[in-house]
Amino acid sequence: QSVLTQPPSVSGAPGQRATISCTGSTSNIGAGYDVHWYQQLPGTAPKLLIYGNKNRPSGVPDRVSGSKSGTSASLAITGLQAEDEADYYCQSYDSSLSGVVFGGGTKLTVL
Amino acid sequence: QVQLQESGPGLVKPSQTLSLTCTVSGGSITSDYYYWTWIRQHPGKGLEWIGYMYYSGSTYYNPSLKSRVTISVDTSKNQFSLRLSSVTAADTAVYYCAVGATMSIWFDPWGQGTLVTVSS
Repeated sequence: QSVLTQPPSVSGAPGQRATISCTGSTSNIGAGYDVHWYQQLPGTAPKLLIYGNKNRPSGVPDRVSGSKSGTSASLAITGLQAEDEADYYCQSYDSSLSGVVFGGGTKLTVL
Repeated sequence: QVQLQESGPGLVKPSQTLSLTCTVSGGSITSDYYYWTWIRQHPGKGLEWIGYMYYSGSTYYNPSLKSRVTISVDTSKNQFSLRLSSVTAADTAVYYCAVGATMSIWFDPWGQGTLVTVSS
């Protein structure tokens, strides 16, 4: 069981908006540690999608956004495209565990 | 642009030590800005942080693996390595090396990953 909780799956039609939640606790997200998001396409290594809660690395389109509030964070993807179909992971730091923690991952299906 | 490449045996026998190397290109392993990181992914499962090392020698390990893990840096070869002792089938996974940003500990970039199977 992951320290950060994500829904196992979300789906949306092309052009629609999808949101993935990441719920933590007062020892990680709620303690002020940043949340980062990764996209993993089938058979490939994870790729950084959002860092520092809401910042996009160069090359990530602006239809991808991140937010954080309290003990949770969210990843939103608007204008869904077939190429967005992938697994998405959130990541933070946990002071109780003294280490990096990941969410269990969410599979995004574009219908 | 830093690039990473994992290398090492794809098959390890139970109770033996898993050893992997990550070769860094396009950047120096002596940089003050990075943590040199190992992460693994069990087949069909999520990501698990193994640990990271600052080039000066400070190491940080996942408490659940700490007793079996060693991460080290070879500055002469611009490489860093992972050793995981007393492996079992539960250590079968894809192992990734990655660069950790010291500011807020996100990981970018990642190596392509290497599958290590523990089996006799």
